[in-house]
Amino acid sequence: GAGVSQTPSNKVTEKGKYVELRCDPISGHTALYWYRQSLGQGPEFLIYFQGTGAADDSGLPNDRFFAVRPEGSVSTLKIQRTERGDSAVYLCASSSTRTSGVFYFGPGTRLTVT
Amino acid sequence: ELKVEQNPLFLSMQEGKNYTIYCNYSTTSDRLYWYRQDPGKSLESLFVLLSNGAVKQEGRLMASLDTKARLSTLHITAAVHDLSATYFCARPGGNQFYFGTGTSLTVIP
Repeated sequence: GAGVSQTPSNKVTEKGKYVELRCDPISGHTALYWYRQSLGQGPEFLIYFQGTGAADDSGLPNDRFFAVRPEGSVSTLKIQRTERGDSAVYLCASSSTRTSGVFYFGPGTRLTVT
Repeated sequence: ELKVEQNPLFLSMQEGKNYTIYCNYSTTSDRLYWYRQDPGKSLESLFVLLSNGAVKQEGRLMASLDTKARLSTLHITAAVHDLSATYFCARPGGNQFYFGTGTSLTVIP
């Protein structure tokens, strides 16, 4: 079946602009995660959804970052007033308890803030 | 603070050689995951280790978990070029996974 998909694959934006990144998880996976990966680093946790609700948003760096998952499937990560330091690959992952908690990652969105 | 450390960070090895990547984590966990990432690609699940003493093998890669030592190893046997990638270990904690910084492996023909 289809894996996790993310759009766009690349996004270049100017400092101060607003961006939205979309994640479409594997069908039936109730858990959805957003991670951020900077060059040469491991992924860093941003936010976790169980169903429609954000069960843990402790990784969001500040209030410019927000994420929603209104129908318990697709999720959107929103970044306001982007800064150059927001440049990274944003990864989405979904999981199911039926798969021993393994995360299935999407291809990522490479965000570049100029 | 929960930490996951890998070593080495960079590994260059010749084809046919063996080597081990180490993953240490700071607090007890009975689960450990290994992922592979090719350049410009996302992470692909390799192994799920669910208990102390667990050993999993797939082709030339073998992963093991010692929860008492808080250590997991990824052993590479007779490396081939196709294994060149970055390998991450990850430990679950709360609602997330904590990833190591990764080991960038280059296998030289």
